[in-house]
Amino acid sequence: KQEVTQIPAALSVPEGENLVLNCSFTDSAIYNLQWFRQDPGKGLTSLLLIQSSQREQTSGRLNASLDKSSGRSTLYIAASQPGDSATYLCAASGSARQLTFGSGTQLTVLP
Amino acid sequence: DTAVSQTPKYLVTQMGNDKSIKCEQNLGHDTMYWYKQDSKKFLKIMFSYNNKELIINETVPNRFSPKSPDKAHLNLHINSLELGDSAVYFCASSQERGVVALEQFFGPGTRLTVL
Repeated sequence: KQEVTQIPAALSVPEGENLVLNCSFTDSAIYNLQWFRQDPGKGLTSLLLIQSSQREQTSGRLNASLDKSSGRSTLYIAASQPGDSATYLCAASGSARQLTFGSGTQLTVLP
Repeated sequence: DTAVSQTPKYLVTQMGNDKSIKCEQNLGHDTMYWYKQDSKKFLKIMFSYNNKELIINETVPNRFSPKSPDKAHLNLHINSLELGDSAVYFCASSQERGVVALEQFFGPGTRLTVL
């Protein structure tokens, strides 16, 4: 059974810093890995999707990497801004169609 | 032009009542999902439908019954509501390629409170 872990559970950084969020999964036989952002009281916004055959994906200041062999993914945020404050969730598609979510990293970017 | 929409956004009801949550997607996707986010913010899949056919049914009490009248809609009906059903319920959709689901898009969520 797939298990997804995100460390740290919370992170606070000053504005402008580059940061890395970590995600690990137990079953390397994934189809894809997806990173989401969730603002308080809101739904999930998809940030990046990495297919199992890919090593990384980039969107603006965000870069997500995937290492299936080690069961790890990272989300790199460059030049963080207060507007980046949210909970970031990773989810692994360990079997067709089904996403297994981590518990999230709550990010606070201080002005 | 909302991609995945849910109604209602908030639902407050008494224990023992029956309630429904509706979900619609206008993305032309063929697969739809229901997820539950508990008080600790942990998200877990409940059901998945592909072309109106149930394909994932996790260990969920049979008081929960999904219904998909067409590819664009997946409703969730809950009978005999219990206090532990209080949570945020998210609908999502994706397009399949073979047996692989592509990027999933989520609705805004329905916050259910059972008193």
